[in-house]
Amino acid sequence: EAQVTQNPRYLITVTGKKLTVTCSQNMNHEYMSWYRQDPGLGLRQIYYSMNVEVTDKGDVPEGYKVSRKEKRNFPLILESPSPNQTSLYFCASSPGSNQPQHFGDGTRLSIL
Amino acid sequence: QKEVEQNSGPLSVPEGAIASLNCTYSDRGSQSFFWYRQYSGKSPELIMFIYSNGDKEDGRFTAQLNKASQYVSLLIRDSQPSDSATYLCAVGEYNFNKFYFGSGTKLNVKP
Repeated sequence: EAQVTQNPRYLITVTGKKLTVTCSQNMNHEYMSWYRQDPGLGLRQIYYSMNVEVTDKGDVPEGYKVSRKEKRNFPLILESPSPNQTSLYFCASSPGSNQPQHFGDGTRLSIL
Repeated sequence: QKEVEQNSGPLSVPEGAIASLNCTYSDRGSQSFFWYRQYSGKSPELIMFIYSNGDKEDGRFTAQLNKASQYVSLLIRDSQPSDSATYLCAVGEYNFNKFYFGSGTKLNVKP
């Protein structure tokens, strides 16, 4: 089954404690992206990747890091999480840029 | 700041009616346009995408694009209660690979 898998699905943690949210896709997609979704603000793009070792900033990259060492994986790293990063995060992938994206189930992150 | 605007709703329509959802965008260079449906607590799922001016139909759904007016819409014919969800409009930049989403329109289809 074609899917984008995110882990963990839920995480409650404290300010400053580094965390990683993993994302993996099994569709051999070149394009992957991370979004955060906040009430009233819709989905905002954090980072995206066109292919292995090619990443770039989206609209709200501050406080986040990503890497793309393998085509299937695109982890999101919060080096020093802060409460304003409490949000619902989605990973998505597509065959190429500007094509429809397939979303993961989401990760609900709470930073205390 | 590139913007994608949607009426937050809720838009209420009776079962069997046509639901019309609208979206405007600020970047004239935008080249790809998508409609996603999101049920409460779930991830967005693709409904339609359109790249060229005009209409594109798929079953009960029709996407309409007018680049001159920077306007994209989604029509849902014969609306069903199962269509009740939030509909997200997404716009893709050309050559920059970024996407911008509207905040969504909540649709309620009443039996």
